[in-house]
Amino acid sequence: DAGITQSPRYKITETGRQVTLMCHQTWSHSYMFWYRQDLGHGLRLIYYSAAADITDKGEVPDGYVVSRSKTENFPLTLESATRSQTSVYFCASRGSALESYEQYFGPGTRLTVT
Amino acid sequence: AQTVTQSQPEMSVQEAETVTLSCTYDTSESDYYLFWYKQPPSRQMILVIRQEAYKQQNATENRFSVNFQKAAKSFSLKISDSQLGDAAMYFCAYRNTGNQFYFGTGTSLTVIP
Repeated sequence: DAGITQSPRYKITETGRQVTLMCHQTWSHSYMFWYRQDLGHGLRLIYYSAAADITDKGEVPDGYVVSRSKTENFPLTLESATRSQTSVYFCASRGSALESYEQYFGPGTRLTVT
Repeated sequence: AQTVTQSQPEMSVQEAETVTLSCTYDTSESDYYLFWYKQPPSRQMILVIRQEAYKQQNATENRFSVNFQKAAKSFSLKISDSQLGDAAMYFCAYRNTGNQFYFGTGTSLTVIP
């Protein structure tokens, strides 16, 4: 299916475990983003990528690792999950053209760290 | 860093009436973009409307329009003829000429039948 997908949609993990959230887009968009959504904070940028093999930190990168070996995939890894990382995670993408204003969001992954 | 402020955590409106959601932002840049996103209970983020800072004309999309006041750094969303399907969380967002978006904390809109 065309668009942007995330997997899993729901995940429960224990403190200290490593967990990877997947993001896949079919538009060949250059830019991809990871956000977390928490009550009272809106969406905050964790990491973003301008192209394959190019990533940069956002507002709240601590505790997260990203990679982008292929244009279409942008996985987010929590190397040692903590309860404060319980959140809803959104992946987004947009094109590189100057007129590409809009970000397209995935459906989100609800992560619970117990 | 840029900040986006939505001072109304919750709003309600009668069906068919008009409601305005407020948003202010802080920036030292002259060129940027502003957005309103809708997030229904499904959690999907849906773009409602966007405004380029260099355009003086306020953007309009059907029942949705904005009041963009650049000097005041204000970007309010007006929803006319409110419908039950408009009930959602609404986020104001700012994007500079780089790649980062900054979101407000959201306004939860209830539509009363």
